[in-house]
Amino acid sequence: EAGVAQSPRYKIIEKRQSVAFWCNPISGHATLYWYQQILGQGPKLLIQFQNNGVVDDSQLPKDRFSAERLKGVDSTLKIQPAKLEDSAVYLCASSPSRSLWDGGRDNEQFFGPGTRLTVL
Amino acid sequence: AQKVTQAQTEISVVEKEDVTLDCVYETRDTTYYLFWYKQPPSGELVFLIRRNSFDEQNEISGRYSWNFQKSTSSFNFTITASQVVDSAVYFCALSDTGSARQLTFGSGTQLTVLP
Repeated sequence: EAGVAQSPRYKIIEKRQSVAFWCNPISGHATLYWYQQILGQGPKLLIQFQNNGVVDDSQLPKDRFSAERLKGVDSTLKIQPAKLEDSAVYLCASSPSRSLWDGGRDNEQFFGPGTRLTVL
Repeated sequence: AQKVTQAQTEISVVEKEDVTLDCVYETRDTTYYLFWYKQPPSGELVFLIRRNSFDEQNEISGRYSWNFQKSTSSFNFTITASQVVDSAVYFCALSDTGSARQLTFGSGTQLTVLP
């Protein structure tokens, strides 16, 4: 089974430039998450999609960040314009379904390799 | 609000030693999930275990074991007979059981296993 795919793996831009990251979740996974991981910290959720709808974007800095999952499959996260403090690894994760106490692993989040963004 | 604390920023051990990574959590939820993830230098987060708050039984998987104590809000992770390949950053995380099931991560513990 193919894992979560992300591209690019690395990106270096100057402040005030724009950048976009792409994520293709595991086939059939309904839920998709974008996380920001600043060096030395744990990942922090930015936005969560269920199919093509937004479940939670309360921690997304909407003045500069945007994300979409138009067809309920792959997703794009954009930063415009970038700031120095946006330097981080951007992780995409997906999970299969919404059921909870099933004893299985279907609320497990599977993570992609991340995109490392450096803003100069 | 949920919070996960991993007080150990870095741990260094010699191969074959046992090592315990501490995790303390805070939540107002009565039901929740706890997780451990491993992040090797490649950067990808690798799922290790999920526990639900109903089940306080300790779990062992090979050289890995987990001690969940609800009374102290702790979910500690022990690696027995550590190996160089265990070197990574380990994250403890907490999730609600609502429809969102969002993960709140700790700040991670960098484990270095020396040959």
